[in-house]
Amino acid sequence: DGGITQSPKYLFRKEGQNVTLSCEQNLNHDAMYWYRQDPGQGLRLIYYSQIVNDFQKGDIAEGYSVSREKKESFPLTVTSAQKNPTAFYLCASSMGAGTPGTDTQYFGPGTRLTVL
Amino acid sequence: SQELEQSPQSLIVQEGKNLTINCTSSKTLYGLYWYKQKYGEGLIFLMMLQKGGEEKSHEKITAKLDEKKQQSSLHITASQPSHAGIYLCGGHNQGGKLIFGQGTELSVKP
Repeated sequence: DGGITQSPKYLFRKEGQNVTLSCEQNLNHDAMYWYRQDPGQGLRLIYYSQIVNDFQKGDIAEGYSVSREKKESFPLTVTSAQKNPTAFYLCASSMGAGTPGTDTQYFGPGTRLTVL
Repeated sequence: SQELEQSPQSLIVQEGKNLTINCTSSKTLYGLYWYKQKYGEGLIFLMMLQKGGEEKSHEKITAKLDEKKQQSSLHITASQPSHAGIYLCGGHNQGGKLIFGQGTELSVKP
């Protein structure tokens, strides 16, 4: 089955700790994305990567870091610098077509992070 | 900056009734996407519209994009409890970034 997996589904973190969220895809997609979803605020882009070993900041990158060492994997680290990390995190991937409007993003099941 | 506004924010309908959700952009969209989300789960891709005036249907769901590519509607015919969830529209702006509306929460009463 082709798709996007995220783990864990639920994650609890103490204040001051870094935590890494996993995202893996077997769709052979070039582009991968991380979004944060908060009630009433829709989805906000954290980081995205259009190719291996390259990534760009999205709208709310502060307090987060990513790596893209393999095409299939795009882990997100939530650092202690992120002031309000409790949220639902969604990973997505797409083929990475060059023309805007032709590049459908497919989403994973999400990880709910709670800071205690 | 470009934004997507969805209306209504929430909707409660009786099973069997038709309903429409709207998505409006302040600027031209280069691709309009509709997704469905169950609470606490990921987004499921429904449809993509690209051309002005385009209309697509899948089962009982029809999506349309206006000629100016700034407004889209999602219409559900004869709603069922399985249609309940949050519907989100997303659109690519000229720079290729995908922006999302706030979502419309749909409840279907049996």
